[in-house]
Amino acid sequence: NAGVTQTPKFQVLKTGQSMTLQCAQDMNHEYMSWYRQDPGMGLRLIHYSVGAGITDQGEVPNGYNVSRSTTEDFPLRLLSAAPSQTSVYFCASSLDMRANVLTFGAGSRLTVL
Amino acid sequence: DQQVKQNSPSLSVQEGRISILNCDYTNSMFDYFLWYKKYPAEGPTFLISISSIKDKNEDGRFTVFLNKSAKHLSLHIVPSQPGDSAVYFCAATTSIKAAGNKLTFGGGTRVLVKP
Repeated sequence: NAGVTQTPKFQVLKTGQSMTLQCAQDMNHEYMSWYRQDPGMGLRLIHYSVGAGITDQGEVPNGYNVSRSTTEDFPLRLLSAAPSQTSVYFCASSLDMRANVLTFGAGSRLTVL
Repeated sequence: DQQVKQNSPSLSVQEGRISILNCDYTNSMFDYFLWYKKYPAEGPTFLISISSIKDKNEDGRFTVFLNKSAKHLSLHIVPSQPGDSAVYFCAATTSIKAAGNKLTFGGGTRVLVKP
């Protein structure tokens, strides 16, 4: 049971480049979300999804897009990377909206030059 | 404006002693609180939680206390072990599910347990 898998683990981008952070879970979880972790600020919610075809914005959605075409996958897209998006990104999932405990992936460290 | 704050960014404690981590929140709608533990290069893992209908929850060496009137919770680790050295995040959420399953996290406290 792999849990929540994130790829890549590390990525360096130049300002203006685009990329997609991948997230997949094999636990048949309905709820998936993306957080970013910055020093001293904890984890902040970017986008979340309560099921396939349904997404919504979190606390810091600007500069990021998401889609949820399957239950298993929830990719995070940066269309035009900016240095302010340098961060560690975590994907998390839970069984459904009523489950408060999230299972996190190992993280993707992104540096934008 | 951070709704969940952990005012101590770091804590150093001797092995075998008690570690006390504190967390304050401002949003009175929060009614469920969680602690996560994070090792370097890994994702956070769930440690313990407490509902607002309780003021204490215990799981082995870990106990979480909730003081609703003060909007304050704390995590006690007794006795502390070197393997407890990690970053601990406090998180809060509301059972109003129209808001979605969102956790609001504090900034984290780095704990170092010295042998």
